Amino acid sequence: GENVEQHPSTLSVQEGDSAVIKCTYSDSASNYFPWYKQELGKGPQLIIDIRSNVGEKKDQRIAVTLNKTAKHFSLHITETQPEDSAVYFCAASIGGGNQFYFGTGTSLTVIP
Amino acid sequence: EAGVAQSPRYKIIEKRQSVAFWCNPISGHATLYWYQQILGQGPKLLIQFQNNGVVDDSQLPKDRFSAERLKGVDSTLKIQPAKLEDSAVYLCASSLGAANTGELFFGEGSRLTVL
Repeated sequence: GENVEQHPSTLSVQEGDSAVIKCTYSDSASNYFPWYKQELGKGPQLIIDIRSNVGEKKDQRIAVTLNKTAKHFSLHITETQPEDSAVYFCAASIGGGNQFYFGTGTSLTVIP
Repeated sequence: EAGVAQSPRYKIIEKRQSVAFWCNPISGHATLYWYQQILGQGPKLLIQFQNNGVVDDSQLPKDRFSAERLKGVDSTLKIQPAKLEDSAVYLCASSLGAANTGELFFGEGSRLTVL
């Protein structure tokens, strides 16, 4: 099955700086890559996603890039704010398949 | 629009006891998932339903875990007997489509502690 690796496991940034989280996947058939944000005591919530026919997608302060050749994708958060502090999970899914394969998560702390 | 509802939020049991978790997905969502999230790890799929049929239960420890989705709406996940390693958050999620082509909506989870 698919194997998703995520780095770093923890990340601390100063408010206003940028944060980057990277994921790699193993199955070249994966074609859908969502990112989820999980706040303490809550379930994960989708923040952005990208499909394999697109190299980059941006939504205000967050962006995701995908390199299909290298099988990696990244989440970029610019102008970080304290409310961005949470655990972020990447995931990969094979279109028409049954599973989302999640990374191990990155705990992001934005220091005011 | 109401979100995915789960109960109970917290449960503490002794090993070898049984426990059941309940999930009510978003109205109209055909697909329902149960995930296990161990502390410090990403969610791992236990079982996926489409309407009231099982699509994937390959990672469900069937000797102790069972799940059903009544009438294609609510779902119950049961563990009997529980082991220490079952301590985790059990997340229910639902999605509108039949396949993984869109957003998963997660509930807040049920945190299980097995002593």
